[in-house]
Amino acid sequence: EAQVTQNPRYLITVTGKKLTVTCSQNMNHEYMSWYRQDPGLGLRQIYYSMNVEVTDKGDVPEGYKVSRKEKRNFPLILESPSPNQTSLYFCASSQRGQLANYGYTFGSGTRLTVV
Amino acid sequence: GQNIDQPTEMTATEGAIVQINCTYQTSGFNGLFWYQQHAGEAPTFLSYNVLDGLEEKGRFSSFLSRSKGYSYLLLKELQMKDSASYLCAVDSNYQLIWGAGTKLIIKP
Repeated sequence: EAQVTQNPRYLITVTGKKLTVTCSQNMNHEYMSWYRQDPGLGLRQIYYSMNVEVTDKGDVPEGYKVSRKEKRNFPLILESPSPNQTSLYFCASSQRGQLANYGYTFGSGTRLTVV
Repeated sequence: GQNIDQPTEMTATEGAIVQINCTYQTSGFNGLFWYQQHAGEAPTFLSYNVLDGLEEKGRFSSFLSRSKGYSYLLLKELQMKDSASYLCAVDSNYQLIWGAGTKLIIKP
């Protein structure tokens, strides 16, 4: 089944403790992206990657890191989480030539709470 | 700046038709998406418009006017399961800019 897999689904952590949210896609998509979603603000892009070893900042990159060492994986790293990073996070992937039929495929989301 | 505007909430009756509008101002335009999102779940793809005009997919249709920076999503024969948030997003130079979403409430 074609899908984007995020882990974990839920995470509660303490301020300053490094964490990684994993994202993996099995569709051979070139493009991958991370978003956070907060009430009333909609989805905001954190980082995106056009291909392996190519990453760019989105609208809200502060406090986050990403890497794209292989095509299928795009982990999101919070080096020193703070309470304002409490949010619902989504990973998404796409293939430029298939946008009309499939758009961006999203993972199931990770609900992160930083206390 | 870049912004996308859509109504915060709409209410409609089961079996009726509803139109959700979206206006946008972005630095680039590579296409406009509509997504459906049920509470706590991931957004799911509904439609993609890159040229002006109407795209129809079953009960859902999406319209785009690039000169006006305007799109709408039309939902026909509303069902209770259509109760969800509907998100408008513009692909602006390979960055997706999202509206805050329109929460659609369906009443019997």
